[in-house]
Amino acid sequence: QVQLVESGGGVVQPGRSLRLSCAASGFTFSSYGMHWVRQAPGKGLEWVAVIWYDGSNKYYADSVKGRFIISRDNSKNTLYLQMNSLRAEDTALYYCAKDRGLWELDSWGQGTLVTVSS
Amino acid sequence: ELVLTQSPGTLSLSPGERATLSCRARQSITSNYLAWYQQKPGQAPRLLIYGASSRATGIPDRFSGSGSATDFTLTISRLEPEDFAVYYCQQYGSSPLTFGGGTKVEIK
Repeated sequence: QVQLVESGGGVVQPGRSLRLSCAASGFTFSSYGMHWVRQAPGKGLEWVAVIWYDGSNKYYADSVKGRFIISRDNSKNTLYLQMNSLRAEDTALYYCAKDRGLWELDSWGQGTLVTVSS
Repeated sequence: ELVLTQSPGTLSLSPGERATLSCRARQSITSNYLAWYQQKPGQAPRLLIYGASSRATGIPDRFSGSGSATDFTLTISRLEPEDFAVYYCQQYGSSPLTFGGGTKVEIK
């Protein structure tokens, strides 16, 4: 079955960078778009970014545009999120999620926690 | 961006009762591209409904979705103990993808 495992979270100072990874298995990774969604502690869900199945297109939420970069390596079945110029408001649990086909998210990882604090 | 408003914020019901959750959009959602998710404490969200009314794989038929344009509803016909959770709607008809603020279904 589909498995998504995020890693790379941790505590980081404001202004610093962090790279998240999401290892995918159980499906043909190179055939599906992939997303990052975050959830601040005790809050709701916020979409962060999407990347097309082949990496040809990428879209971002305004809150992260210009600071975060989504990418993928289909040879390694891995999704990435490069997060630069981190702010306190980026503190959240970051989920990777598989696109069912039209931006519905039909499989989710368990998330990796990012804490931005001095 | 397309704002989604969910109501009520909290729904207090007993097992066996019917739950009706609302999701309203400020503008019409293209092609009824509206999904519903369930999230239990400490767990990732799970896709329940897509396309406003289609159940995702493995979702019990007590969950149903309806609605169109700006008004959508998730109905749980008879609440089971495992259904007490937070429910989110999400639109994917326009970018950016957006979620509603959630409805918590709690045990009365």
